[in-house]
Amino acid sequence: EAQVTQNPRYLITVTGKKLTVTCSQNMNHEYMSWYRQDPGLGLRQIYYSMNVEVTDKGDVPEGYKVSRKEKRNFPLILESPSPNQTSLYFCASRILTGVGEQYFGPGTRLTVT
Amino acid sequence: TQLLEQSPQFLSIQEGENLTVYCNSSSVFSSLQWYRQEPGEGPVLLVTVVTGGEVKKLKRLTFQFGDARKDSSLHITAAQPGDTGLYLCAGEMGKSTFGDGTTLTVKP
Repeated sequence: EAQVTQNPRYLITVTGKKLTVTCSQNMNHEYMSWYRQDPGLGLRQIYYSMNVEVTDKGDVPEGYKVSRKEKRNFPLILESPSPNQTSLYFCASRILTGVGEQYFGPGTRLTVT
Repeated sequence: TQLLEQSPQFLSIQEGENLTVYCNSSSVFSSLQWYRQEPGEGPVLLVTVVTGGEVKKLKRLTFQFGDARKDSSLHITAAQPGDTGLYLCAGEMGKSTFGDGTTLTVKP
C-alpha cells in the first residue's frame, strides 16, 4: 500500500530536550516536505526537499532541522524544542514534476511543556 | 509570500443544502488542489485543477479554477453529514501554499 508514515503519532516532551520525528514514504517520490498545522493559521511549510541531499527552507523553518540522506526518509529534528513548537506536524511527499498532488502522513501531535 | 484566502472559515448547514467555498489569491498558480481533512488524519487530495476556467466534477462536488488561475471554488450539492470536515485549497507554484481552510459541518 502506497503511504507516508510518521512516528511517533503523539509526543509530549519538555523544553530543550532534543527530539526527532521520522517520516518515510514508499512511493519513490523525489519531493518531501514538513508542515505544521495550527488553529487559524492553516498548514505552513517548515522545510522541503527536492531530492537526496537537497533541502530548503519553507515559510517557518526557525527552530527546526531536516536531513535527506535517503530518498524514502525525511526526519524532522527539533534540537531544543520550545512551547511555541507545540503543534500538529504533517509530512508529505509527491513526485517532483507534474501538478503537485501531495500525499500526507497521519500527523504527529507534539506538545512541549 | 503567496497567500491564499479561503471563505467562509466556518460553515454549518443542514443536510440537503448546497454550499460554495471560495479560495482567492492575488498570485497566479500553475495548479491548485483541494484537500479534505478529517480530525486526527492528514489531508486527502480531492482534485487538482490546472487550466484557467477548468471545471471538474466529483459526484456532488464541483470544482472550478478561475480564468486567471488566481482563484477557485468548491460547490457541494445536497450536502450530507459525511461531507463534514476541513476543506483546504493549496496553490502550487514551485512550492505549495495552503489556505487556512473551511470547516464544514453538515447536520442531519
